[in-house]
Amino acid sequence: SAVISQKPSRDICQRGTSLTIQCQVDSQVTMMFWYRQQPGQSLTLIATANQGSEATYESGFVIDKFPISRPNLTFSTLTVSNMSPEDSSIYLCSVEHQNYGYTFGSGTRLTVV
Amino acid sequence: AQSVAQPEDQVNVAEGNPLTVKCTYSVSGNPYLFWYVQYPNRGLQFLLKYITGDNLVKGSYGFEAEFNKSQTSFHLKKPSALVSDSALYFCAVRDKETDSWGKFQFGAGTQVVVTP
Repeated sequence: SAVISQKPSRDICQRGTSLTIQCQVDSQVTMMFWYRQQPGQSLTLIATANQGSEATYESGFVIDKFPISRPNLTFSTLTVSNMSPEDSSIYLCSVEHQNYGYTFGSGTRLTVV
Repeated sequence: AQSVAQPEDQVNVAEGNPLTVKCTYSVSGNPYLFWYVQYPNRGLQFLLKYITGDNLVKGSYGFEAEFNKSQTSFHLKKPSALVSDSALYFCAVRDKETDSWGKFQFGAGTQVVVTP
């Protein structure tokens, strides 16, 4: 299965600043997904990132708040912009896998103060 | 539309006893069903899946799940729980007719606590 390296693993940020999360996959994949897991909650899909096209955002998520880059088939970034305490969550990247449905990165635990 | 329900926020079980984590689903067509486990400060790990075939699916770490179409359930089971099974468990569903894996619906998660 694909191995996903996600960083940073955790960060504490000041409100109003931005944080960029990186996701590196050890093989080429067509689609990469970004999820948010708020404290005590399940996973919510933020957006789908395809290489060479604009990311597709789910309802309630917008590009200005969560800009995504997908420069090649092995890498993607998610930026959490103009952060507020409500953005404190775990952010997970994932890729499709024909056997496992998804493979997930280890997550980025973000705390906004 | 698809949805999945995990009716229990937490399941407590003594080590060595059977463990069951419940999951029910709703899809318009036929389902793909998955279980994932999340250990503290870790991403999600795949446990098992049902795509087609035998209703009883065996997965990682001694876990198994039974697909029950009439009851629209996919409960996760382990005959003898270990303290190391203490984690957060997520059930996920996707309609087979959907184009992309990306349209999974995850349950709210069930915290499993196994006591020595």
